[in-house]
Amino acid sequence: GENVEQHPSTLSVQEGDSAVIKCTYSDSASNYFPWYKQELGKGPQLIIDIRSNVGEKKDQRIAVTLNKTAKHFSLHITETQPEDSAVYFCAVGGNQFYFGTGTSLTVIP
Amino acid sequence: GAVVSQHPSRVICKSGTSVKIECRSLDFQATTMFWYRQFPKKSLMLMATSNEGSKATYEQGVEKDKFLINHASLTLSTLTVTSAHPEDSSFYICSASGGTGVGNEQFFGPGTRLTVL
Repeated sequence: GENVEQHPSTLSVQEGDSAVIKCTYSDSASNYFPWYKQELGKGPQLIIDIRSNVGEKKDQRIAVTLNKTAKHFSLHITETQPEDSAVYFCAVGGNQFYFGTGTSLTVIP
Repeated sequence: GAVVSQHPSRVICKSGTSVKIECRSLDFQATTMFWYRQFPKKSLMLMATSNEGSKATYEQGVEKDKFLINHASLTLSTLTVTSAHPEDSSFYICSASGGTGVGNEQFFGPGTRLTVL
């Protein structure tokens, strides 16, 4: 089955700085790579996704890059704000859907 | 965007009772619904996948007789935790997809916090 690793597990940044979270996966057949933001006591919310035919996608302060050869993809958040503080999960979709282990992001005002 | 609701948001029950959790897609037809379980500070663990009108497919290690899943319509799936015990206490989250393949977006519900006394 798929093996998804996510790093770092915790990340603290100063407000205004950038945050980068990286995920690696093992199944080269995987073709869908979403990122979710989960606030305490709530369900995950899709914030951005990318499919295997695209190398990069951007939506305002959030971007995702995909390297299919190396089997890794990353979430980039620029100009971070305190409300960006949450747990972020990557996921990998192919024949099944697998989640990363999560990154707890804290943005320090 | 697509909205998925769950009911109830929190439930406390006595050991041995059964609890039903509903998952509804409010503005789209969900061909496939997924049920996850999440422990504190942990990732989501897929329990089962259900396609409308079919029996659910359970992940390895998930007892299908304990976690009954029904997906009778394109907008509603239910998870029933039968004869609940304290170890079943957890955060249960459903998600819904408009396609049958996992390459389609999954929209998550807000989750249900189950506490079994």
